Amino acid sequence: QVQLVQSGAEVKKPGASVKVSCKASGYTFTSYYMHWVRQAPGQGLDWMGIINPSGGFTNYAQKFQGRVTMTWDTSTSTVYMELSSLRSEDTAVYYCARAMLITTHLFDYWGQGTLVTVSS
Amino acid sequence: DIVMTQSPDSLAVSLGERATINCKSSQSVLYSSNNKNYLAWYQQKPGQPPKLLIYWASTRESGVPDRFSGSGSGTDFTLTISGLQAEDVAVYYCQQYYTTPDTFGQGTKLEI
Repeated sequence: QVQLVQSGAEVKKPGASVKVSCKASGYTFTSYYMHWVRQAPGQGLDWMGIINPSGGFTNYAQKFQGRVTMTWDTSTSTVYMELSSLRSEDTAVYYCARAMLITTHLFDYWGQGTLVTVSS
Repeated sequence: DIVMTQSPDSLAVSLGERATINCKSSQSVLYSSNNKNYLAWYQQKPGQPPKLLIYWASTRESGVPDRFSGSGSGTDFTLTISGLQAEDVAVYYCQQYYTTPDTFGQGTKLEI
């Protein structure tokens, strides 16, 4: 069965960077795009960007441009999301979400989420 | 960016009754070339990631009970839950995927 397993919670200081991983299993890793979506405590969903693990195409939301980098490792079926210059407003649960094949911006499977806390 | 606005922010419905959640987009999400509305609904229970319920405004995802239905076109959409069950308590989000960035509504909290 499809599974997306994310790395554990992180606590970072303002100005630092964080790198969250998302290990996929149960399907052909390179056949599906992957998204990252974040959710601040008690808030709604905020789309961050998309990566194609076959070829490396990425598209980031403008609000994260220059601070976010999405990468992948085919050998381990893992995608990564790195966010730099962290500020307190980046405190959130970060989710990876697999895109459906019928259209690349619908999410059919999600990781369990990774809580990133930014605090001095 | 397309702004998605849901109403109400929260609602309480009795077991077995009908719940209706509305979603309005700041511009049309109907793609004329294929006549599809690029609008989805997700359900999120506490401590869990969202779950896809409905896409193309009215197509139920596999495994989603038929008490969940979606309707609407253009800029105005509705999620209806008929015969509310206790396990339907959750926050519901609409999402437009007509254009990037994908944007979500602020969420509607459904309580019994």
